[in-house]
Amino acid sequence: RKEVEQDPGPFNVPEGATVAFNCTYSNSASQSFFWYRQDCRKEPKLLMSVYSSGNEDGRFTAQLNRASQYISLLIRDSKLSDSATYLCAVNSGTYKYIFGTGTRLKVLA
Amino acid sequence: GAGVSQSPSNKVTEKGKDVELRCDPISGHTALYWYRQSLGQGLEFLIYFQGNSAPDKSGLPSDRFSAERTGGSVSTLTIQRTQQEDSAVYLCASSHPGRNQPQHFGDGTRLSIL
Repeated sequence: RKEVEQDPGPFNVPEGATVAFNCTYSNSASQSFFWYRQDCRKEPKLLMSVYSSGNEDGRFTAQLNRASQYISLLIRDSKLSDSATYLCAVNSGTYKYIFGTGTRLKVLA
Repeated sequence: GAGVSQSPSNKVTEKGKDVELRCDPISGHTALYWYRQSLGQGLEFLIYFQGNSAPDKSGLPSDRFSAERTGGSVSTLTIQRTQQEDSAVYLCASSHPGRNQPQHFGDGTRLSIL
């Protein structure tokens, strides 16, 4: 089993829809979690950190479920500009961050 | 600029040549990471620096790969005797020290080996 797993997608959703992705991790000692956005042929950009209590930033909500060992990213009112690949990153308390291979989102007009 | 800076942006070279990639991290970020990303693939961890020390080099694919960091700032990744399978985007990231610090990435160097 991979340390961090994501559904590769693509998730094709119409503008205005709500979409959610999950990212599962295998190491129960994992301590910090992040979501990144990567556009085609660009570098990953930090979207948001994921806190134990969950956190929201505008249309984006991130949550952590420690019992089931996954994090989620919810995007409300999808925009065409949200089309990208979304990577999760997990840190197990050492220097090493493990990145998922990403979930591709396409928002359709 | 305030972000992570990498150079060159693109590098095309012939098989067998040596290449040197450069990363200038965000000022004050003592942690520095190198990753490799092949087309359509995830991020492959190569090496981590804390200051000038590299406690983990196990991600380097072969002994043709080496990296150094001087002055706790700029890092160079060197690939000797390049092979076609080395073609990828090489990404550098930096962060403040600590477990909960997110990484910030440079634009990457797109390396093509002919």
